[in-house]
Amino acid sequence: AQRVTQPEKLLSVFKGAPVELKCNYSYSGSPELFWYVQYSRQRLQLLLRHISRESIKGFTADLNKGETSFHLKKPFAQEEDSAMYYCALRSQGGKLIFGQGTELSVKP
Amino acid sequence: DGGITQSPKYLFRKEGQNVTLSCEQNLNHDAMYWYRQDPGQGLRLIYYSQIVNDFQKGDIAEGYSVSREKKESFPLTVTSAQKNPTAFYLCASSMDSFYYEQYFGPGTRLTVT
Repeated sequence: AQRVTQPEKLLSVFKGAPVELKCNYSYSGSPELFWYVQYSRQRLQLLLRHISRESIKGFTADLNKGETSFHLKKPFAQEEDSAMYYCALRSQGGKLIFGQGTELSVKP
Repeated sequence: DGGITQSPKYLFRKEGQNVTLSCEQNLNHDAMYWYRQDPGQGLRLIYYSQIVNDFQKGDIAEGYSVSREKKESFPLTVTSAQKNPTAFYLCASSMDSFYYEQYFGPGTRLTVT
């Protein structure tokens, strides 16, 4: 079965602390993975995708096929990073399968 | 931002009534999608369309219907058969389903009482 799991509903860190949002997937084949972010009162938007291998707003994510993970990391969290984060997998039919989402709260 | 509009922002209906949510895009995208967003459940795909005059059921299509008569428009009808229609509905579009990212609209919050 194709599935995306984000084990943490809420992650709370202090400003300047490292942050890691976990994402695990289940997929037979070569996966394509994404992180989407939804800031308060804004639209859901793409943060990064693994094939781009970019760092966006200081965030990076590495695909680990052995552990079937695509964790999102940032070395120093900022208050403006507070948002809802969704990990997503593109299925063989082209559809996106989303995880349950993790709310990140960065405290001053 | 921009390019995909959903209206209205808030919608209230009585139980037993059908309601249609609007989604329009001017990005010249071929593919369009409808998701339902519930707390703790992420986004779940209702219907999607990869090209005009064609659409497929997603994971939770029961109680919903769509049409794709124009490239720019992909309206979603929530019928009285949908058991739990109160939710936040998101529309998205992409150049195609297989490579490009999806762009999301601002959403419509539907409340059925």
